[in-house]
Amino acid sequence: EVVMTQSPLSLPVTLGQPASISCRSSQSLVHSDGNTYFNWFQQRPGQSPRRLIYKVSNRDSGVPDRFSGSGSGTDFTLKISRVEAEDVGVYYCMQGTHWPRTFGQGTKVEIK
Amino acid sequence: EVQLLESGGGLVQPGGSLRLSCAASGFIFSNYGMSWVRQAPGKGLEWVSSIGTGGSTFYADSVKGRFTISRDNSKSTLFLQMNSLRAEDTAVYYCARTIAFDSWGQGTLVTVSS
Repeated sequence: EVVMTQSPLSLPVTLGQPASISCRSSQSLVHSDGNTYFNWFQQRPGQSPRRLIYKVSNRDSGVPDRFSGSGSGTDFTLKISRVEAEDVGVYYCMQGTHWPRTFGQGTKVEIK
Repeated sequence: EVQLLESGGGLVQPGGSLRLSCAASGFIFSNYGMSWVRQAPGKGLEWVSSIGTGGSTFYADSVKGRFTISRDNSKSTLFLQMNSLRAEDTAVYYCARTIAFDSWGQGTLVTVSS
């Protein structure tokens, strides 16, 4: 099983400031078809999860451009260029290259 | 607009069974793989099971042999039959579109307790 390790697990941020979350996988997430099936999800308090980023760096429809994803192989990053109040919640990374699908532990983003 | 509506959750005793349903709308259901993901109270996300468009199925080790995923394309509905339930199966169960979880339902709570 591929283990996904996120850091930090808690991230206090100031409104308008940037934020960054790291995710590392225990194996390469490059699929045999050449794609890297790595996603980021946001779960706001009391809500269902929502996918933000797919295949490392592609934003889902409706996701603000202040969110960006990057990385390759085993190391990935989610960046928020300027944190807004609506960004509070828990962020999860997830790999879709190997079975079973696995998630990171989650990073809780809160406003200072 | 993609909509996924789960139902069938509730309180069940250890060793009991439940069948979850997920009614899909807003897209051609038969063209998409579908998945179940769960979240224990106060915990993170855990993939449970997926089914492909051709009916191929995949399970987490924690539920293999106890849970069965299926689909009825004529009714645009996804199912999860859960048998031999354990306390550790207590969670909100989400239905998600594709095996990359691009859309999620609101979830249904399953509580396994005596």
